[in-house]
Amino acid sequence: SQQGEEDPQALSIQEGENATMNCSYKTSINNLQWYRQNSGRGLVHLILIRSNEREKHSGRLRVTLDTSKKSSSLLITASRAADTASYFCATDPRTNSGGSNYKLTFGKGTLLTVNP
Amino acid sequence: DGGITQSPKYLFRKEGQNVTLSCEQNLNHDAMYWYRQDPGQGLRLIYYSQIVNDFQKGDIAEGYSVSREKKESFPLTVTSAQKNPTAFYLCASSSWQSNEQYFGPGTRLTVT
Repeated sequence: SQQGEEDPQALSIQEGENATMNCSYKTSINNLQWYRQNSGRGLVHLILIRSNEREKHSGRLRVTLDTSKKSSSLLITASRAADTASYFCATDPRTNSGGSNYKLTFGKGTLLTVNP
Repeated sequence: DGGITQSPKYLFRKEGQNVTLSCEQNLNHDAMYWYRQDPGQGLRLIYYSQIVNDFQKGDIAEGYSVSREKKESFPLTVTSAQKNPTAFYLCASSSWQSNEQYFGPGTRLTVT
């Protein structure tokens, strides 16, 4: 079942601009993760934000999490042509006992194109 | 080099044949996963294993089988019972301490 849903499905910007992608989910989570996938390749983990965190930074990446709205956003600042890729959010759903079953649920992704 | 390897990168098979996709990791991770990705889609979980000699079905296990005889290896067999096997298959692993997943480069399977 798809838990995370990214928005928009596709985003095209110019180099140097900021890119913002959103993710909505349905159930309580332990954490939310963002991954990047270059065309035809495996996914690469970018950042993890726990349910008790509201914002996290890593280099040019900024992730926010709003558990009351069940949503997250990924901001890439000063984008580069090399940032062109698909970006996926993945949630770690909280079990009934409050733990994790160590499965992630991935959304369908946002295809980001950064034009030189 | 630590990481996950998948082989082969491209695989072609005739309909009705079983085919096994390889996944090996040297990250000492306990958990391993198999996903299927169709064009323009997200990842769907086929099978996962949290420990050697144990594995569970994911969301789309029908037509697939796995084994986990060694911690490092988690091969996936696509059987002739899988109705639409042509897809991009991704293997991943994670540790108990963190469920950040590390992915292999993928195998693109084409069945004609």
